[in-house]
Amino acid sequence: SQQGEEDPQALSIQEGENATMNCSYKTSINNLQWYRQNSGRGLVHLILIRSNEREKHSGRLRVTLDTSKKSSSLLITASRAADTASYFCAATPYNTDKLIFGTGTRLQVFP
Amino acid sequence: ETGVTQSPTHLIKTRGQQVTLRCSSQSGHNTVSWYQQALGQGPQFIFQYYREEENGRGNFPPRFSGLQFPNYSSELNVNALELDDSALYLCASSMGASGPDWDTQYFGPGTRLTVL
Repeated sequence: SQQGEEDPQALSIQEGENATMNCSYKTSINNLQWYRQNSGRGLVHLILIRSNEREKHSGRLRVTLDTSKKSSSLLITASRAADTASYFCAATPYNTDKLIFGTGTRLQVFP
Repeated sequence: ETGVTQSPTHLIKTRGQQVTLRCSSQSGHNTVSWYQQALGQGPQFIFQYYREEENGRGNFPPRFSGLQFPNYSSELNVNALELDDSALYLCASSMGASGPDWDTQYFGPGTRLTVL
């Protein structure tokens, strides 16, 4: 069974707006990674945040991590129609290399 | 695009048959992990190989088996296929404890398996 939960399950916004997705997990982790998936194809790595980091930026992406609440958020600023995809968080439990994925958020950005 | 490749892209099998899926890892990566993604769900970890040895396994039955070769490419074998094995199978490679990016897993495009 999956360890992570994401909300919302689906999100629809207009181009130019910001999109925020939240992720919760259940155990201590080494890191948390965010991925994008278009139409059931392969996963594209977006960003990795380690357990000793609280915030990280990459282009229009901002990720936060709160290990005390076992939660993370992904913010996409100034969204574009090309950002339309499913977004998954994936936690690496402490002392393992496997990824435990969340349930995903389907983001639709309208032009 | 990552340097991880998978073959075939699509595959149709019947219940009870056996299937082999292949993955070539990104250059410089010695760790390969396999995931199963059912429709509408997040991927689930099957197992991982590090330097040709199994290095962790998820909650999958023994009919799911794998190999990693000296060039770090990998195979996933599934015996006695069941209807529920229909899914997208993803492999991911990583550097395995070397370099600043060592634990980032890069995914291939996946193999879509349909079991009839």
